[in-house]
Amino acid sequence: AQKITQTQPGMFVQEKEAVTLDCTYDTSDPSYGLFWYKQPSSGEMIFLIYQGSYDQQNATEGRYSLNFQKARKSANLVISASQLGDSAMYFCAMREYGGGYQKVTFGTGTKLQVIP
Amino acid sequence: GAVVSQHPSRVICKSGTSVKIECRSLDFQATTMFWYRQFPKKSLMLMATSNEGSKATYEQGVEKDKFLINHASLTLSTLTVTSAHPEDSSFYICSASPPSAFNEQFFGPGTRLTVL
Repeated sequence: AQKITQTQPGMFVQEKEAVTLDCTYDTSDPSYGLFWYKQPSSGEMIFLIYQGSYDQQNATEGRYSLNFQKARKSANLVISASQLGDSAMYFCAMREYGGGYQKVTFGTGTKLQVIP
Repeated sequence: GAVVSQHPSRVICKSGTSVKIECRSLDFQATTMFWYRQFPKKSLMLMATSNEGSKATYEQGVEKDKFLINHASLTLSTLTVTSAHPEDSSFYICSASPPSAFNEQFFGPGTRLTVL
């Protein structure tokens, strides 16, 4: 089974509109963290936002917010007021920490294109 | 955020040679480092997790003797691709985490390896 599932290979959004990128995860570890990264065409991975499994509130970082629904095992990224510079690949990732062994798994990514 | 560097950023080598890629955490000590491989337009695939002072933990399907990982110090990890072949051509990215910082994972800029 996939640990991290991103079902949207590509998304289009109008500039200044909000967009939601989907991410579901699968783990049996009680302690885990969820990340979203942006990867522009240049290749570097840019950290956007983090949500811990024990965090009660949804994480927010500027225009980014993470809609964390623990029971559904989903961690969708919401980008508000999209900008042309938001066009990039977006990866959801999960870090598990069970039994002293750490593992990070990435989803397949969503290519977001912002339309002027 | 913290800075992780990788060297070299690009390398072209002949088939059969070995290539060493360095990953350094510049302003923090990293007890854990991760090495990833990314094929064009694909997600990041975790190759191995290295913890300072112990052997790296390789993911299933990753050849330990082919991809030698050494967590030499709290600020340096190296990945050596031994007897490289064209199919090893890829984008290699490392990430590093400060001690006990579950929510922090900083990525290097990546190394593009081309094996002729």
